[in-house]
Amino acid sequence: AQSVSQHNHHVILSEAASLELGCNYSYGGTVNLFWYVQYPGQHLQLLLKYFSGDPLVKGIKGFEAEFIKSKFSFNLRKPSVQWSDTAEYFCAVNGGLTGGGNKLTFGTGTQLKVEL
Amino acid sequence: GAGVSQSPSNKVTEKGKDVELRCDPISGHTALYWYRQSLGQGLEFLIYFQGNSAPDKSGLPSDRFSAERTGGSVSTLTIQRTQQEDSAVYLCASSLEGRGMVYEQYFGPGTRLTVT
Repeated sequence: AQSVSQHNHHVILSEAASLELGCNYSYGGTVNLFWYVQYPGQHLQLLLKYFSGDPLVKGIKGFEAEFIKSKFSFNLRKPSVQWSDTAEYFCAVNGGLTGGGNKLTFGTGTQLKVEL
Repeated sequence: GAGVSQSPSNKVTEKGKDVELRCDPISGHTALYWYRQSLGQGLEFLIYFQGNSAPDKSGLPSDRFSAERTGGSVSTLTIQRTQQEDSAVYLCASSLEGRGMVYEQYFGPGTRLTVT
């Protein structure tokens, strides 16, 4: 079975600081990787996704993530966070057509608080 | 266009009662997923409907949980004889699907279930 680990449960940053949230997954086959964000009082929204191709993917609001297959990692980064980035961030993986279908396995989430 | 909608947004029920939660997917999305978000367990997959194929029920926690999808669109998640541990936010998501393709999932706002 797939599993996803997010190492940072709570992160507090000042505005303009750089952000990196760790995500590691266990499945050794072909995977599709996602980062979702949940702003306070809102529903889950897709930040970015990796299916194939360039391992550095860019998403909305200046976020990017790098897929490193050898490390089973898909870390989320943003060079300069804003107060409005305060939210909970979830890493997710599915095995696609050969590894369990499209159902998502989520990490436990990272609560990010950005202080002014 | 309209996103995934869920009803009710909040449901409080007494232990032992049955509840039904409804999901309206995005028009044209043939894949529909149910997940559960709770404090102790994070985001967990429950069940996945994919076109005309048999649903993937591998995430349902017990036989008190069932779901159906009528006409390939609206889905209802039913929890019988609710228990306090069923208290959670139940999320529905939908996506396109196609042979050999992977598509992102779009989430609804969730139904917050509280079992007293």
